[in-house]
Amino acid sequence: DAGVIQSPRHEVTEMGQEVTLRCKPISGHDYLFWYRQTMMRGLELLIYFNNNVPIDDSGMPEDRFSAKMPNASFSTLKIQPSEPRDSAVYFCASSLGTGGGGNTIYFGEGSWLTVV
Amino acid sequence: QKEVEQNSGPLSVPEGAIASLNCTYSDRGSQSFFWYRQYSGKSPELIMFIYSNGDKEDGRFTAQLNKASQYVSLLIRDSQPSDSATYLCAVRRLVMGNDMRFGAGTRLTVKP
Repeated sequence: DAGVIQSPRHEVTEMGQEVTLRCKPISGHDYLFWYRQTMMRGLELLIYFNNNVPIDDSGMPEDRFSAKMPNASFSTLKIQPSEPRDSAVYFCASSLGTGGGGNTIYFGEGSWLTVV
Repeated sequence: QKEVEQNSGPLSVPEGAIASLNCTYSDRGSQSFFWYRQYSGKSPELIMFIYSNGDKEDGRFTAQLNKASQYVSLLIRDSQPSDSATYLCAVRRLVMGNDMRFGAGTRLTVKP
């Protein structure tokens, strides 16, 4: 089975540009999470969805960040306008809400974002 | 107080020794507890999870949970250089929200 698929893997962009990160969760998973990881702040939960509905976006740092999940197999995280402090690794992850595996969440390989 | 706290390390142990990693959490509603391993430049991968108080063993790894003390630990027996990584503790509610929160991680180095 394919894991969580993220794109792009690496992106370098100029300050002020719009950045869109994409994620395809594992088929059948009903939860999708967006995390950001930096050396200073570790792994932070930005937002998560259940059955395509945003449940908690309290971790989204500013209005410049937005996330959507138009269907069960696709989600986007958008930053507009981007700033150098947004440079980080952005992970998408998915899980089943209940069931076996301890409700484990499975991570994509991450999108490495550098804003210059 | 952070929701999930770990000893930041770094922790260094000789090959063959036992490595002990600790984690405390603040949310008493947490019901599932996880240990992830993250190699440099890679995404976190699950080592094991635990629900119930006590010990759970999987090969060289043992997770320990004490809900009364809000404490989770991971023991790695017969540590190998390939175990050198950052270990992330995570907790998850299953009701009243279902998000997963991570600690800052403990960096472990196993010296040959």
